[in-house]
Amino acid sequence: AQKITQTQPGMFVQEKEAVTLDCTYDTSDPSYGLFWYKQPSSGEMIFLIYQGSYDQQNATEGRYSLNFQKARKSANLVISASQLGDSAMYFCAMRVLELSNTGNQFYFGTGTSLTVIP
Amino acid sequence: DTGVSQDPRHKITKRGQNVTFRCDPISEHNRLYWYRQTLGQGPEFLTYFQNEAQLEKSRLLSDRFSAERPKGSFSTLEIQRTEQGDSAMYLCASSLVSLSGNTIYFGEGSWLTVV
Repeated sequence: AQKITQTQPGMFVQEKEAVTLDCTYDTSDPSYGLFWYKQPSSGEMIFLIYQGSYDQQNATEGRYSLNFQKARKSANLVISASQLGDSAMYFCAMRVLELSNTGNQFYFGTGTSLTVIP
Repeated sequence: DTGVSQDPRHKITKRGQNVTFRCDPISEHNRLYWYRQTLGQGPEFLTYFQNEAQLEKSRLLSDRFSAERPKGSFSTLEIQRTEQGDSAMYLCASSLVSLSGNTIYFGEGSWLTVV
């Protein structure tokens, strides 16, 4: 069974500081992708960053980086230089690349609410 | 705007009424997904289409729910005889089919409140 776990229901960070949001996953499939999405109070889900299971290097996108530790099955999101606009819910998600090409849906964690303090 | 669009953004309905949501995916995307999200939870998969074919349905999609994508472009999600437990945000997403880890892009969601 596929599973995504986010153990931090809420996090606080001082503006301009860095913060790490935790995500662990569980799958027996060798091919998968890991994603982070941001969901502001307006409800839209905004794609932030992607890491493939065979990628050798950690993904980075601007102030976002993904700390991928395959052996530990963790895919933590690091946000550097936090801004007030970063306050939102953050979801970790996994997409399993099944060869049968069915069941190609995403599995989401329960989310972490990040609050940036001025 | 070339993103995923959903309509209506908010819907309040009385229990027992039918509601329909529409989703227009990103134009070149051939996969379209529907998710449901309740407060404090991550999105839960409901169903997805590849072009006009509905390839998978979650057990969450009871017989009161029906989704269509008749021409492989926009999609509709209809809920018949709504119940209070149907109150949630219904998210639509789209992607390009690929064997690599391509991303799905979400719309802004349709909030449903059943009173």
